[in-house]
Order: sequence, then C-alpha cells, then structure tokens
Amino acid sequence: GDSVTQMEGPVTLSEEAFLTINCTYTATGYPSLFWYVQYPGEGLQLLLKATKADDKGSNKGFEATYRKETTSFHLEKGSVQVSDSAVYFCALRAGGYNKLIFGAGTRLAVHP
Amino acid sequence: GAVVSQHPSWVICKSGTSVKIECRSLDFQATTMFWYRQFPKQSLMLMATSNEGSKATYEQGVEKDKFLINHASLTLSTLTVTSAHPEDSSFYICSAIYGRGGSNYGYTFGSGTRLTVV
Repeated sequence: GDSVTQMEGPVTLSEEAFLTINCTYTATGYPSLFWYVQYPGEGLQLLLKATKADDKGSNKGFEATYRKETTSFHLEKGSVQVSDSAVYFCALRAGGYNKLIFGAGTRLAVHP
Repeated sequence: GAVVSQHPSWVICKSGTSVKIECRSLDFQATTMFWYRQFPKQSLMLMATSNEGSKATYEQGVEKDKFLINHASLTLSTLTVTSAHPEDSSFYICSAIYGRGGSNYGYTFGSGTRLTVV
C-alpha cells in the first residue's frame, strides 16, 4: 500500500545551520506531496506542497522538490531559527483518493 | 480562509462517560472531513473519513461503535468517544478538504483536542 518514510528524529541544530529532513514515499500513480508542521499543543499547518514531478514547493525559507525518479520529497532550509523548532510531517495524497497518509514525523530542535 | 475550529481544546472525563468533540468549518463548506488520533511523539493515525449526509468510513482496526462520527451538515462534524476508558486518552485532530475542484485544493486542520480519561 501507499506509505511515507521519514528520517527519524530528533534533529538538533544550532541556529543558522542547514536543515535537511529526508522523506521518501511509495505510491501507485502520481501522488501529491505535502510537508506539514506541528507546533507544541497545536494542530497541523501546511508548510508546502507539490502536485507533480519536478515541482518545487517553498514557504518561509523551506523548500522541497518532488523527485519521481527517487520517490523523494526532502525538506530543506538554508538557515534555521529557534522558532522553527517543531515536528515536521511528510504526507502524500494518492491519486484518486482523498485521505492523506503521513510519515512518522521528525522533531526538530533548534538551539541559539 | 479555510479555517476549521475544533472544540473543546482539552477535556477531562471520568471512565465510562462519553465525550463529544466538534469540528466546524468557519468559512467554507466541508463535504469531507477526517478524524485523526495522535499518540505522544507519534504520527497521525487516520481513524475515519466522514462525508456530509452519509455514514463515516472507518479505517481498519477502529471501533465504529466506540468512536461515533456524525457529519450532519456541511459545516459540522462530531466525534463522540463512547464509554471512554483511560486507553482512549489521546490527542484527536479533525481535518477538512477545502477548494475541491479548484487550483486551491487543500487540507486544513483543527487545533486538536486533548482527551484525558481518568
């Protein structure tokens, strides 16, 4: 079945460091891909998305490129801030279906 | 736009009682809503998909008689945890699809409900 695999956390970085959170997927057809962020005690917020191969989603300095050949959607940010500390979820929506399938989530902690 | 309001944000109940959680779409019509359960430091587990005016579709392993879902209008879906027990304590999150059929298609999430059963 369809699935999403994320790198295990926690990821601990110093402020202004480069961030990569790996995400790979398994899906039939052509899924849409998403990154969501969850701050402590809150629901999920859409960070960025991509709906077809080679699309690049970007928001708030974060970027991710839909790579069909490697079935990946890695999240990157050039310079993280303390305020980026949160849990990040990679997700897919398989073509023809409504529901989102989430990865396990990666906790990011950024220290001053 | 595309805001979903979830209430209550937290609730404590006694074992054996029932608890209702509401999820309202404030500025759009939500034909389809989803209910998730999230355990501490874990991912979201989809419990069920609810479509307005029809029965919810439950994921495998989710007890439909324990987690009653009602989606009677285009702006409201409710999740009732019946005869709650401590193992039902969790963080419950609702989600809705907005902009269906358009380029702005997406998912919006409620802020979650922390249920503690004592």
